[in-house]
Amino acid sequence: QKEVEQDPGPLSVPEGAIVSLNCTYSNSAFQYFMWYRQYSRKGPELLMYTYSSGNKEDGRFTAQVDKSSKYISLFIRDSQPSDSATYLCAMEFANAGKSTFGDGTTLTVKP
Amino acid sequence: DTAVSQTPKYLVTQMGNDKSIKCEQNLGHDTMYWYKQDSKKFLKIMFSYNNKELIINETVPNRFSPKSPDKAHLNLHINSLELGDSAVYFCASSQAAGGPHEQFFGPGTRLTVL
Repeated sequence: QKEVEQDPGPLSVPEGAIVSLNCTYSNSAFQYFMWYRQYSRKGPELLMYTYSSGNKEDGRFTAQVDKSSKYISLFIRDSQPSDSATYLCAMEFANAGKSTFGDGTTLTVKP
Repeated sequence: DTAVSQTPKYLVTQMGNDKSIKCEQNLGHDTMYWYKQDSKKFLKIMFSYNNKELIINETVPNRFSPKSPDKAHLNLHINSLELGDSAVYFCASSQAAGGPHEQFFGPGTRLTVL
């Protein structure tokens, strides 16, 4: 079993929809939870991160961590065609020096 | 521009050949990584160097050998290329100063082994 599980999709939604992307994990020692966005034929780039449980909001994006359920989510409100990309969750132990990535979910937002 | 750069961007080669990919970062970061991303988008860490010292070496065949001449450069040499080595290889860097290691990725090198 992988340490981090992420549904690869693909996920297709109409413009303006609310998108929910999710990851589950097995190791309760993970401390940092990150979301990366990867456009086609580009490298991933960090979208946002959270530390421990709770919510974090940045514009149309909200990251949510539920450590009791070992479940993290990324919500995108008012989705735009420019949000079409692969979204990868990533997690780290404190002072680990490396991230463990999910498989990535490919999202298409149709105009 | 400050960034992580990789060369070449595309590499097409025959099975059995030896090839190298170069990576440079001018972000002043201490840590550099090599990742392999397969066709299903799974991103797997291969190696990590901190100040030229190897700190992470995942289960990677001995045919893969990283080299870090200085903390701004991390190269990857692959011997005796196999079909299964076809993938996109990403270099990344981060500054380990507490907190999450936000990684800055290069544009990737798309390797095709025929």
